[in-house]
Amino acid sequence: DAKTTQPPSMDCAEGRAANLPCNHSTISGNEYVYWYRQIHSQGPQYIIHGLKNNETNEMASLIITEDRKSSTLILPHATLRDTAVYYCIVRVYGTGGGADGLTFGKGTHLIIQP
Amino acid sequence: NAGVTQTPKFQVLKTGQSMTLQCAQDMNHNSMYWYRQDPGMGLRLIYYSASEGTTDKGEVPNGYNVSRLNKREFSLRLESAAPSQTSVYFCATVPGYSYEQYFGPGTRLTVT
Repeated sequence: DAKTTQPPSMDCAEGRAANLPCNHSTISGNEYVYWYRQIHSQGPQYIIHGLKNNETNEMASLIITEDRKSSTLILPHATLRDTAVYYCIVRVYGTGGGADGLTFGKGTHLIIQP
Repeated sequence: NAGVTQTPKFQVLKTGQSMTLQCAQDMNHNSMYWYRQDPGMGLRLIYYSASEGTTDKGEVPNGYNVSRLNKREFSLRLESAAPSQTSVYFCATVPGYSYEQYFGPGTRLTVT
């Protein structure tokens, strides 16, 4: 699997857009970019995933560069409840039925400031 | 619809004791996983089960055994607990050809 690089921590003001970067320069053509987050003491929560097109859902937007070597997760109007560790994961979609798990690095600790 | 449930929520063991962590899901997902998370670290995969009746080792399986009892339940057993197994344990499920994993609330285990 491609390795990802994320900043260890970021701050964002409440109500502003939070932009979380992820570098995955060794990504291969059939690998997807997944984002999860983990609020303190809870299990990780799936946010969004994409291959090459930008994606949006009710939680966030995912912008993937044209060369797919990096991506940005955007939380459009951050609230205090968005304070969490955000994980960027690159993985082939559906390998073995998704059976062999995910590799979580240390992620980015996003702190939303009031 | 409870999603993924884990029992117990908290447990303290003495070195050498055994216990089983339970995980159950009501989402009819085929694949189930056990992860551990140590303080300040990401999650590491212990064991997984692609379907009922099958299990495979993950990154850190030593000291653990698992049972996929049926489609709903996947248990993790510590036969002889060690302080190095102090961690938070998460169970997760996947609906199919996807990595949209659904996680349980975790079990916080302390081994003294």
